Amino acid sequence: IAGITQAPTSQILAAGRRMTLRCTQDMRHNAMYWYRQDLGLGLRLIHYSNTAGTTGKGEVPDGYSVSRANTDDFPLTLASAVPSQTSVYFCASSDSPGGSGHTNEQFFGPGTRLTVL
Amino acid sequence: AQSVTQPDIHITVSEGASLELRCNYSYGATPYLFWYVQSPGQGLQLLLKYFSGDTLVQGIKGFEAEFKRSQSSFNLRKPSVHWSDAAEYFCAVGLSGNTPLVFGKGTRLSVIA
Repeated sequence: IAGITQAPTSQILAAGRRMTLRCTQDMRHNAMYWYRQDLGLGLRLIHYSNTAGTTGKGEVPDGYSVSRANTDDFPLTLASAVPSQTSVYFCASSDSPGGSGHTNEQFFGPGTRLTVL
Repeated sequence: AQSVTQPDIHITVSEGASLELRCNYSYGATPYLFWYVQSPGQGLQLLLKYFSGDTLVQGIKGFEAEFKRSQSSFNLRKPSVHWSDAAEYFCAVGLSGNTPLVFGKGTRLSVIA
């Protein structure tokens, strides 16, 4: 069982370019999340999805978009990258929100290190 | 809005010494509480969690945490720290239902010989 995979592992990107970070989970979790991690700021939620077909904005959504066409995949797109989006990006998932036994426990991927020049 | 505070940005302890990492949350009801650990260059791994019941929770790697409702705290402890415990530790708070976790800014633990 792989859990959550993220691709690429790292990327250097020119400002203004479009970039999609991929996230796939094989745990059949309904909820998925994207965070960015920056020194001194901890983890900040970018976007989330409680179930396939729905998405929501987190704390820092500007400049990012997501889609959730199916349960397993939750790509994060930077339409036109800027240097302030240099960060480490983590994808996470959790079991069914609101269902019996739902615990909010999140499982994390290994992260993508993105540098925008 | 709920919030999580980890007052200590960086803590250094000697190997074999005891450890306590502080976490305070701000929320009217009792939330779900979590501690995660992040080793350098890695993702986050769950150490332990509290939902209800016994307020002293045991986790992996010899860690434990105690929920104190009166202090809105969920401090992480370990009686004897090992060099491999050097990492970043995150406290997180969740509500029931569809709300994502809210994370503290983390405490970096250094372990010296």
